[in-house]
Amino acid sequence: TQLLEQSPQFLSIQEGENLTVYCNSSSVFSSLQWYRQEPGEGPVLLVTVVTGGEVKKLKRLTFQFGDARKDSSLHITAAQPGDTGLYLCAASRGGSNYKLTFGKGTLLTVNP
Amino acid sequence: DTGVSQDPRHKITKRGQNVTFRCDPISEHNRLYWYRQTLGQGPEFLTYFQNEAQLEKSRLLSDRFSAERPKGSFSTLEIQRTEQGDSAMYLCASSLSGRSTDTQYFGPGTRLTVL
Repeated sequence: TQLLEQSPQFLSIQEGENLTVYCNSSSVFSSLQWYRQEPGEGPVLLVTVVTGGEVKKLKRLTFQFGDARKDSSLHITAAQPGDTGLYLCAASRGGSNYKLTFGKGTLLTVNP
Repeated sequence: DTGVSQDPRHKITKRGQNVTFRCDPISEHNRLYWYRQTLGQGPEFLTYFQNEAQLEKSRLLSDRFSAERPKGSFSTLEIQRTEQGDSAMYLCASSLSGRSTDTQYFGPGTRLTVL
């Protein structure tokens, strides 16, 4: 059972548009990671957020961790075709529990 | 390239055959994880090692699955008597303990197809 809910599941937009994808849970996590995955490849780490309310920026990508550390969002400004891929959020409970729980992902297509 | 590597990248086998996959983690990383990803799903945890010790196994890991990490370096995942339901992408990840967060870095995966 997936404990992380991602929305939307699919998103198709035109180049230059902005978008936000969400990752929600009823559980509190010690840290949350966002990955991007292309077909036939492994997930590539984008960012790790740890502190409630934390905001991190990576070029046109802005990541936010909710104040209660139960949810996160990823905002992309002026999307480009190279942003196309599956965006996965993953979280761990911390302590001695290191395994990651993943959401199902948001499949983003940016059309030129 | 000093990232996580996996071999083979693709494996096609017939039902009932045994298969073995290898993962080489980032060299200084002492934790190693195996995940499985099926179409339309996020990766699901299978098992993890700290050095050579296997510390946790998921209920997804049936008796036909076995993982090893001799000497705390590379790891192998073996599936015996494969079934069509084993078809999936098998992902390996590694991390370094002792940091404030356990950030895991993934390999490219092994795509298994069971005919």
